[in-house]
Amino acid sequence: DAGITQSPRHKVTETGTPVTLRCHQTENHRYMYWYRQDPGHGLRLIHYSYGVKDTDKGEVSDGYSVSRSKTEDFLLTLESATSSQTSVYFCAISESGQVEAFFGQGTRLTVV
Amino acid sequence: KQEVTQIPAALSVPEGENLVLNCSFTDSAIYNLQWFRQDPGKGLTSLLLIQSSQREQTSGRLNASLDKSSGRSTLYIAASQPGDSATYLCALETDSWGKFQFGAGTQVVVTP
Repeated sequence: DAGITQSPRHKVTETGTPVTLRCHQTENHRYMYWYRQDPGHGLRLIHYSYGVKDTDKGEVSDGYSVSRSKTEDFLLTLESATSSQTSVYFCAISESGQVEAFFGQGTRLTVV
Repeated sequence: KQEVTQIPAALSVPEGENLVLNCSFTDSAIYNLQWFRQDPGKGLTSLLLIQSSQREQTSGRLNASLDKSSGRSTLYIAASQPGDSATYLCALETDSWGKFQFGAGTQVVVTP
């Protein structure tokens, strides 16, 4: 298995609170991604990073921010959590574009 | 915008039968297509990657074909086993940044 660790694995938080999810990789891959998975929607891209301090928005970026200060860590922050952000969040990595991507085990986030 | 459709949404077959999973897409300008397996409550496991220049890829009992002109990919699983029960996702890489557009998946149950 690719060395990807997501933390926490489960979290329940209240509406309006900030939340940060962490993705840590040991593969030294350049590209990292955050997706969310919701019933009926499949996985949708939130943000991605193509290097340290290089990030860009995906399809569903509203309400989310990211940071990547080290190659191995990619943080996803919900500035003020809403119930619509209740989802399962997956981190993915790849060495470059057009090659195999690897996914973490996911973080189940519930906003009450 | 690329649309990815997987039909059927769910499939139940007896053990030993061959599985045929379909993935269709609307824009043939893709970089590659990757098939994943997802077990309940788990992350995604990469099964096969087909580059845009390839027509098919094989790994053990799995074979995936790609026909860009018709916007279709098919995943064949030969001689299905109960351990093949999972959700199968197809994902299209639509640019050089390694970003994926996912189908909603086909949930497969193989009964003993």
